[in-house]
Amino acid sequence: GAVVSQHPSWVICKSGTSVKIECRSLDFQATTMFWYRQFPKQSLMLMATSNEGSKATYEQGVEKDKFLINHASLTLSTLTVTSAHPEDSSFYICSARESGTSGTQYFGPGTRLTVL
Amino acid sequence: GESVGLHLPTLSVQEGDNSIINCAYSNSASDYFIWYKQESGKGPQFIIDIRSNMDKRQGQRVTVLLNKTVKHLSLQIAATQPGDSAVYFCAEIRNQGGKLIFGQGTELSVKP
Repeated sequence: GAVVSQHPSWVICKSGTSVKIECRSLDFQATTMFWYRQFPKQSLMLMATSNEGSKATYEQGVEKDKFLINHASLTLSTLTVTSAHPEDSSFYICSARESGTSGTQYFGPGTRLTVL
Repeated sequence: GESVGLHLPTLSVQEGDNSIINCAYSNSASDYFIWYKQESGKGPQFIIDIRSNMDKRQGQRVTVLLNKTVKHLSLQIAATQPGDSAVYFCAEIRNQGGKLIFGQGTELSVKP
């Protein structure tokens, strides 16, 4: 149980294009999902908290107009990197917390984004 | 700023030995701590957690120790195996349901 998937697992795009990453909780409902970014040999940095049916809460320094988050259902959150540039190349990881609980977050397998 | 940090960035151990990975945290208000294992190219995997009202918790081959006096957390892995090779992160939550704050990570390498 408690499986979180991400799609795609990797993507290569040209500079200036937009890329959408999906995060799904497969066997549980998640009111809250989180998006992280991880650069090589570094830790996970929280980008934003995604709440079903409401606006996402972004961490300081994260541009909300560049990283669009939509959490339209209890099992799906999407992160769209708009007008991607090479510096956006990173490993994007989502996590989900089961609705009605305040505990463990379950992580997805990550999405490797490479912007040329 | 407040952070959760690790004493050692890399740790190399012989297969079969015990491993100890350390973590220091700076916020005394943190009340929940988690250790994650991350293999290359994958998402973090939950290992074990501990609440601030405990000082020790054991799992299968793993033990987490919490010393609130010196704000120190450690992960002990017994009989380390090659499959334990990964980066290990400690993370804190300052109140249940709050945001996870990750430490820098320690890369564990197990020599056969």
